[in-house]
Amino acid sequence: KAGVTQTPRYLIKTRGQQVTLSCSPISGHRSVSWYQQTPGQGLQFLFEYFSETQRNKGNFPGRFSGRQFSNSRSEMNVSTLELGDSALYLCASSLPGVQETQYFGPGTRLLVL
Amino acid sequence: SQKIEQNSEALNIQEGKTATLTCNYTNYSPAYLQWYRQDPGRGPVFLLLIRENEKEKRKERLKVTFDTTLKQSLFHITASQPADSATYLCALVISGGYNKLIFGAGTRLAVHP
Repeated sequence: KAGVTQTPRYLIKTRGQQVTLSCSPISGHRSVSWYQQTPGQGLQFLFEYFSETQRNKGNFPGRFSGRQFSNSRSEMNVSTLELGDSALYLCASSLPGVQETQYFGPGTRLLVL
Repeated sequence: SQKIEQNSEALNIQEGKTATLTCNYTNYSPAYLQWYRQDPGRGPVFLLLIRENEKEKRKERLKVTFDTTLKQSLFHITASQPADSATYLCALVISGGYNKLIFGAGTRLAVHP
C-alpha cells in the first residue's frame, strides 16, 4: 500500500501571501490530521478531518484552515503568511478505531521570506 | 499548566547497550501514550502504543512502560544499534480527543559503534 503523500515537498513564499498544501492519505484511511513542526515548538496539532468534517482543532489562528474531500484527500491553507509560519507541515492519516495510530507523510517544508 | 517533557539533551550510548528514554507529563489524563521515531527530514513513524491500564508493552527490542501514578513513560531499546540513532517522540492521546496527539519535544538518541 502506498504511504501518505504530501505535495509540494518544498515551498518558498513571501510574507502576506497564501499557500495551499495537499495530502493524500493511505487508501482506506478516512481520518487526516495536520501538524506543524518547528525547532522551537516541536510538533503541534493543527486540525483533524474525518468524513469531510473537522472533528478537532488545535490552538492556531484562523489564518490556518483546512478541508477534506469525499475521497479523503485533504488540503490545508494558510493565508497572510508570517515569517513564523516557516515550518515543516506534516499530514497524518489513520483508520478510525485503531487507537489513533498515525501514519505520517514526509511533510512539506515551507519557508516564508 | 499542561506539559509533556522529554530529555532535551541528546542521549549518547554505546552499541549493544540499552537506551532508556523518559516522557513525563503533568495535568493530562491520557487514554494512551504512543512512541514515534523521527529521522531528519522525515515524518514520524509509529513504534508502540500503551493504554492507561497497561503497565508494559514489548515489540522486538523495544519496551515501553506506563506509570499513570508517576505520570511517566519509559521507552527502552535493548541491544541498541547505530541504525537506532534518531529522535524519539512520545505523544499523548486524550480520551475523546479523537486523533489529536499531543507530542513531547523529542529526545535525540545517538548510538555509537
